[in-house]
Amino acid sequence: QVQLVQSGAEVKKPGASVKVSCKASGYTFTSYGISWVRQAPGQGLEWMGWISAYNGNTNYAQKLQGRVTMTTDTSTSTAYMELRSLRSDDTAVYYCARDHRDYEDYWGQGTLVTVSS
Amino acid sequence: EIVLTQSPATLSLSPGERATLSCRASQSVSSYLAWYQQKPGQAPRLLIYDASNRATGIPARFSGSGSGTDFTLTISSLEPEDFAVYYCQQRSNWRTFGQGTKLEIK
Repeated sequence: QVQLVQSGAEVKKPGASVKVSCKASGYTFTSYGISWVRQAPGQGLEWMGWISAYNGNTNYAQKLQGRVTMTTDTSTSTAYMELRSLRSDDTAVYYCARDHRDYEDYWGQGTLVTVSS
Repeated sequence: EIVLTQSPATLSLSPGERATLSCRASQSVSSYLAWYQQKPGQAPRLLIYDASNRATGIPARFSGSGSGTDFTLTISSLEPEDFAVYYCQQRSNWRTFGQGTKLEIK
């Protein structure tokens, strides 16, 4: 069965960086992309970007360009999302999801990132 | 950026009733629209993609319709497990989500 397992919760200070991992299993990793979506406390969903696990091509939301980097390690079927220059409004649950035809069909359990001084 | 506006913000219904949720796009997204369900403390779940196609394992009581700028998610007869927040998402131009409709028990 398809599973995406994310790394644990993080607490960071403003200005720091965070890197969240997402380990995939149950399917051929390089046949799909990985999307990242975040959700601030009590708020809606925000699409952050996408990476092709086949060739590493990326597409980032304009709002985050310059601060976010998405990568994959095909040897371990793991995707990573790094967000830099963290601010308090980056506090959110970060989800990875398998990208199927530009929709997110399987999701990780989420990683809470808290930015606080 | 394409803005998706969902209505109503909250919908109060009873089990067994029919639910109709709306999503309006600020410009045409053709049929490139999906619906997701999210329960508290859980990740979203894909229900409908390309406006009217049910995702794997989704019960037949969920259906989607529409094209262009106006879309509808219909739940034909509400089950207790259907009370949740529902989001629409477009993939026509980048990807954006609507703000959500909370479906609550009346």
